[in-house]
Amino acid sequence: DADVTQTPRNRITKTGKRIMLECSQTKGHDRMYWYRQDPGLGLQLIYYSFDVKDINKGEISDGYSVSRQAQAKFSLSLESAIPNQTALYFCATSPGLVADTQYFGPGTRLTVL
Amino acid sequence: EDQVTQSPEALRLQEGESSSLNCSYTVSGLRGLFWYRQDPGKGPEFLFTLYSAGEEKEKERLKATLTKKESFLHITAPKPEDSATYLCAVQVFFGEGATNKLIFGTGTLLAVQP
Repeated sequence: DADVTQTPRNRITKTGKRIMLECSQTKGHDRMYWYRQDPGLGLQLIYYSFDVKDINKGEISDGYSVSRQAQAKFSLSLESAIPNQTALYFCATSPGLVADTQYFGPGTRLTVL
Repeated sequence: EDQVTQSPEALRLQEGESSSLNCSYTVSGLRGLFWYRQDPGKGPEFLFTLYSAGEEKEKERLKATLTKKESFLHITAPKPEDSATYLCAVQVFFGEGATNKLIFGTGTLLAVQP
């Protein structure tokens, strides 16, 4: 079984709709992250959380919100989706050690029409 | 401004034809450099972490090296299954709490033909 899972894997929605992307992990890591990936651009950090009570904005948090329901679960919401939020979304986790390697989920392909 | 640049954008090799991918960086405080492999429609898969100039790491046909300004991913005698996008990321301090964050390059798309 995958250590980091994301649901849904694919989603098509319309402008103005509220969307939630979910991430679960069994790695036992405290730190979790949400990234988006667009063609020709590197992965960009949306939000990150170092524990259930610690949530921080990344580089491109406008239009997004998150919820850390438990150590293992981190959700990303688009309150009112717009077409330029069409992208691949990845969740990642890390152990918080000196190395702090991030491990990624399989991604969610989101299309906003 | 912290920046990571990967070259070439795309590389096509014949099976067995060795080559190198480049990752150059300009950052204020490097804490580590990471290499990932990404297959189409999948999440990045961790390959290596390098921390200091002169460090090298190997895994099967891949070897990563690090200098003060760049890293190379050497691919020796590649096979078609090595075809993927290879991403480089640098770990730097970020924010008031000196949190670590990753800055990613845009990747090199490698195609290995049989």
